[in-house]
Amino acid sequence: EAGVVQSPRYKIIEKKQPVAFWCNPISGHNTLYWYRQNLGQGPELLIRYENEEAVDDSQLPKDRFSAERLKGVDSTLKIQPAELGDSAVYLCASSLGVRHQETQYFGPGTRLLVL
Amino acid sequence: QKEVEQDPGPLSVPEGAIVSLNCTYSNSAFQYFMWYRQYSRKGPELLMYTYSSGNKEDGRFTAQVDKSSKYISLFIRDSQPSDSATYLCAMRDNYGQNFVFGPGTRLSVLP
Repeated sequence: EAGVVQSPRYKIIEKKQPVAFWCNPISGHNTLYWYRQNLGQGPELLIRYENEEAVDDSQLPKDRFSAERLKGVDSTLKIQPAELGDSAVYLCASSLGVRHQETQYFGPGTRLLVL
Repeated sequence: QKEVEQDPGPLSVPEGAIVSLNCTYSNSAFQYFMWYRQYSRKGPELLMYTYSSGNKEDGRFTAQVDKSSKYISLFIRDSQPSDSATYLCAMRDNYGQNFVFGPGTRLSVLP
């Protein structure tokens, strides 16, 4: 079974540029999570989807971050414009449902460096 | 004070040693506790999951929860170089939909 797929794996951009990350969750997983992990820190939730619906985006900086999950499968996280402080690893995870989030599976992450 | 704290490490031990990794937390409502292992440049992978207090064993790994002290531990017996990774604890309460992660402890097991 394929795991959570993320692309790109690495991205280097200049500040003020836009950037987008893509995630393909495990087949059949209704719940999808985007996390940000700063160096030396644990993941912090940005947004959680139940199918197509964003049910928790309280930690998403909405002035510059946006996300979508069309058709309840793949998801895209966008930053526009990027700031130096956005340099981090962006992790996508999925689980069968919110009641199964103890068994959420993480992708390898996208490592973003903003110069 | 952060909600979940861990010793940052790095922790270096010889192969075969017993390793103890710990987390403390401040929210007494936390009921679900997880341990993740994260290799360099990889996403976290679930190791152990426990509910409320008590012990849980899986092979060389034992998870322990002491809610009265707001303290959880992960023990690794007969540690191997392949156990070298960052270990993250995570936890949530009965009502929260999302887990809170600790900052992680970096472990090196030396051959």
